[in-house]
Amino acid sequence: AQRVTQPEKLLSVFKGAPVELKCNYSYSGSPELFWYVQYSRQRLQLLLRHISRESIKGFTADLNKGETSFHLKKPFAQEEDSAMYYCALRGNSGGSNYKLTFGKGTLLTVNP
Amino acid sequence: KAGVTQTPRYLIKTRGQQVTLSCSPISGHRSVSWYQQTPGQGLQFLFEYFSETQRNKGNFPGRFSGRQFSNSRSEMNVSTLELGDSALYLCASSLASGRTDTQYFGPGTRLTVL
Repeated sequence: AQRVTQPEKLLSVFKGAPVELKCNYSYSGSPELFWYVQYSRQRLQLLLRHISRESIKGFTADLNKGETSFHLKKPFAQEEDSAMYYCALRGNSGGSNYKLTFGKGTLLTVNP
Repeated sequence: KAGVTQTPRYLIKTRGQQVTLSCSPISGHRSVSWYQQTPGQGLQFLFEYFSETQRNKGNFPGRFSGRQFSNSRSEMNVSTLELGDSALYLCASSLASGRTDTQYFGPGTRLTVL
């Protein structure tokens, strides 16, 4: 079974402060991890994926297989980063493991 | 390219009724996945269709069913509605059904069951 845990429902930081959204996963194989973001009144969209190892809007995430974590980080938060963030996992074998399993999300609020 | 579209956007039904939701994927995309989003359970996978065949299925009762047409448009049907079926139903499309394929989400259909 695959499981994604985002321990923080809410996270509030001030503009310019570093931000880290935590994501832990449970999966017996080698997973593919994603971060999705949903801004107010917009649809869910992909922010980044671990396989591409890129930085989007200043966010980065490193897959730590030892700690089974994929935390999302940004050194200096901006007010426009305020949104709901979802961590998601997809397995590496065929059949039902290709489905995306989402965490319950973290609502990030960046205060001015 | 136009994004994923879902119709209707809002729906109100009563218990015991059935409902059909529609999803039109991005042009050229052949895979459509459906998710249920609720405040308590978050985003939960319902099923995925690729080339008119159901590829994956989540842990939902048989009242939830779907299908995909030859033009990749997909419909989801819920029979004998229950209060707990009130949720935002999202569909997502991708080029194919592999693990590296990015899913693009629609705006969702908000279903309220009274």
